[in-house]
Amino acid sequence: KQEVTQIPAALSVPEGENLVLNCSFTDSAIYNLQWFRQDPGKGLTSLLLIQSSQREQTSGRLNASLDKSSGRSTLYIAASQPGDSATYLCAVHPAVGSYAGNNRKLIWGLGTSLAVNP
Amino acid sequence: AAGVIQSPRHLIKEKRETATLKCYPIPRHDTVYWYQQGPGQDPQFLISFYEKMQSDKGSIPDRFSAQQFSDYHSELNMSSLELGDSALYFCASSTTPLGSSYNEQFFGPGTRLTVL
Repeated sequence: KQEVTQIPAALSVPEGENLVLNCSFTDSAIYNLQWFRQDPGKGLTSLLLIQSSQREQTSGRLNASLDKSSGRSTLYIAASQPGDSATYLCAVHPAVGSYAGNNRKLIWGLGTSLAVNP
Repeated sequence: AAGVIQSPRHLIKEKRETATLKCYPIPRHDTVYWYQQGPGQDPQFLISFYEKMQSDKGSIPDRFSAQQFSDYHSELNMSSLELGDSALYFCASSTTPLGSSYNEQFFGPGTRLTVL
């Protein structure tokens, strides 16, 4: 059974720091992995999607890497800003059985709550 | 660009009442997913529909039902509401190009359901 773990659960850093959020998953059979941002009580914003054949994806100050064989992904945030404060969740799409139309649900970690202090 | 639309955004119900949540996927997306996120919890998958047919089922209580209509919008019907049903309910949609495993899910803003 696929399980997703995120470390640390919470992180507080001063503005300007570069930081790394970690995500690990127990089964390397995945189609892709997504990183999301969630502000308190708000919706989910997709940040980056890495397909299983890719090693990393970049968007602005965000860089996500994927090491499928070891079951790990990291989200790197450069030059953090107070506006980056949110909960960051990673979710994997397990490669289970037939893909077409079935088994597309995401399996989620509990998230890392990030506070960037001015 | 059009996003996933959910209505209502907030809903307050009494115990044992019923509620209907609606989701309008991004145009031309063929799959809709429903997730439930309790306070401080990760989203839990409830159910999904692919081309108007149920494609996968997760931890959806028997008191809940859902369907996808001909225009691809989906409704989650919740009956005999309990206090524990208070949560944020997300809808997501996706599309998969033929022969590809690419499947980015795009999420709506969620419906916050409070059961009193």
